[in-house]
Amino acid sequence: RKEVEQDPGPFNVPEGATVAFNCTYSNSASQSFFWYRQDCRKEPKLLMSVYSSGNEDGRFTAQLNRASQYISLLIRDSKLSDSATYLCVVNGADKLIFGTGTRLQVFP
Amino acid sequence: DVKVTQSSRYLVKRTGEKVFLECVQDMDHENMFWYRQDPGLGLRLIYFSYDVKMKEKGDIPEGYSVSREKKERFSLILESASTNQTSMYLCASSPHPRGPTDTQYFGPGTRLTVL
Repeated sequence: RKEVEQDPGPFNVPEGATVAFNCTYSNSASQSFFWYRQDCRKEPKLLMSVYSSGNEDGRFTAQLNRASQYISLLIRDSKLSDSATYLCVVNGADKLIFGTGTRLQVFP
Repeated sequence: DVKVTQSSRYLVKRTGEKVFLECVQDMDHENMFWYRQDPGLGLRLIYFSYDVKMKEKGDIPEGYSVSREKKERFSLILESASTNQTSMYLCASSPHPRGPTDTQYFGPGTRLTVL
């Protein structure tokens, strides 16, 4: 089983739609969780950290479910500019572990 | 804003050449990292450093070495480039408080092609 697993997609959604991604992780001792965004041929950029109480930043909401060992990212009112790959990131013992990403394509 | 810069965006080298990839960060971060990213494999950690002159192996250190002579600079060295080292190389840095598992900030990447 991979340490961090994501559905690769692509998720094709129209502008204005709500879309959600999940990510599962295997290490129950993990304490740090993040979502990064990566545009095509660019570097990953931090989108948001994920806290036990959840985290909301504008149209983006991240949730953590420790019991089931997954984190989620919800994007409301999708924009064309949200088209990107979203990487789920979880800490291991001495490093961050990156998922392979979920690709989102928003169309007009 | 955190700024991480890498010496080249695109690089083409021949098999057997020694290759140097340079990374500089301007936020006085303790930790620096080198990853490679390949389609379907995600980011894989090559080496990291949590202090000047310190280095730790990541998941795939074979064929690579690193150097950290100054806090702001972390170099990745391919001793003898091979075609299977064709990849996107990403440098990252993070502040100290939680060590290597803290938020990381990435440079723009170097797309290396080994012929």
